[in-house]
Amino acid sequence: EAGVTQFPSHSVIEKGQTVTLRCDPISGHDNLYWYRRVMGKEIKFLLHFVKESKQDESGMPNNRFLAERTGGTYSTLKVQPAELEDSGVYFCASSQAGAGGETQYFGPGTRLLVL
Amino acid sequence: AQSVTQLDSHVSVSEGTPVLLRCNYSSSYSPSLFWYVQHPNKGLQLLLKYTSAATLVKGINGFEAEFKKSETSFHLTKPSAHMSDAAEYFCVVTGGNFNKFYFGSGTKLNVKP
Repeated sequence: EAGVTQFPSHSVIEKGQTVTLRCDPISGHDNLYWYRRVMGKEIKFLLHFVKESKQDESGMPNNRFLAERTGGTYSTLKVQPAELEDSGVYFCASSQAGAGGETQYFGPGTRLLVL
Repeated sequence: AQSVTQLDSHVSVSEGTPVLLRCNYSSSYSPSLFWYVQHPNKGLQLLLKYTSAATLVKGINGFEAEFKKSETSFHLTKPSAHMSDAAEYFCVVTGGNFNKFYFGSGTKLNVKP
């Protein structure tokens, strides 16, 4: 069974540009999460989808970040326009439906560098 | 509120000696607790998970962790370190009706030959 995949693995862009990150969850997983690790800090929650609906987006830093999950399958996270402080590693995770506490399976991450 | 404190940012051990990575948590709910490992340039891999069954949880690669409610701790141990254990380890808490994970700041384990 394929795991969570993320594309691209690395992205280097200039301040002000737009970047779109993609995540493909494990097939059949209704829950999809985005997390971010800024250098020197802990991994922090960004948002949570249940199928195509945003369940919790309390961790999104500001309105420059837009996440979508079309048809409840893959998800994209767009940063527009990118700022220097957006640099970091963006992780996607997925889990099966449940009441909470389910194991989340993580992708390898996208390393974003904004110059 | 939920949070995790990993007490050591770096731990260095010799190959063949025991490993102890410390984690304390805070949770308003009955928590689920996890340890994940990240090897260089790799994703996060689940080591083990506690969900209110047995307090001593066995994971992959010889790791185990003990849930101690009275001490709000969930320390990770391994009897004998291997060079391949060198990685960064994350303690995670979640609970209640919420699915989001709260991560500790990570502990980098160095294994010396």
